[in-house]
Amino acid sequence: KAGVTQTPRYLIKTRGQQVTLSCSPISGHRSVSWYQQTPGQGLQFLFEYFSETQRNKGNFPGRFSGRQFSNSRSEMNVSTLELGDSALYLCASSDRVDYGYTFGSGTRLTVV
Amino acid sequence: EDKVVQSPLSLVVHEGDTVTLNCSYEVTNFRSLLWYKQEKKAPTFLFMLTSSGIEKKSGRLSSILDKKELFSILNITATQTGDSAIYLCAVEAGGRTGNQFYFGTGTSLTVIP
Repeated sequence: KAGVTQTPRYLIKTRGQQVTLSCSPISGHRSVSWYQQTPGQGLQFLFEYFSETQRNKGNFPGRFSGRQFSNSRSEMNVSTLELGDSALYLCASSDRVDYGYTFGSGTRLTVV
Repeated sequence: EDKVVQSPLSLVVHEGDTVTLNCSYEVTNFRSLLWYKQEKKAPTFLFMLTSSGIEKKSGRLSSILDKKELFSILNITATQTGDSAIYLCAVEAGGRTGNQFYFGTGTSLTVIP
């Protein structure tokens, strides 16, 4: 069974640009959640999608948005990039909450 | 303010030692507590705890939750070098916009041969 796949692995963008990150969950998993990990703040929850609907949301500004497609693949978009958005963005999928979430390897975003 | 605090921040032990990692939390509308192991990039799920006093066990790892005192511990017995990693604690809490996940900053464990 293929794991959670995130693309691209690395990304460099300049301030003010926007970026779209992609996440393909494990086959059959309908829940996809996104996290931002930085050395200073640790791992922070962005949002969770289930069956194409945003089910849960963290405390991030509206520049961070996402969506989920009918095949459960998810995208995360960050508009008007700031230097502080440089981080590892992790996606995780789950089929049952009590089994926890399986994480992808992440997308390393650097904003210059 | 909802928060999750892990201690110690880092730990260095010798192979064969037993370690106890702590996670305390203050959240509104607690739903569950999860433990993850992060070695390089992707955290790996270890346990999910929802009820007090029921130990979850997987090999040399075990964990228990105390919902009265608002903490959880993760025990690793007979540590091996492969246990070296950052151990993350996360708490799922109900909120106005649905459930949220709050992560601690992690405990960095180094096991020396």
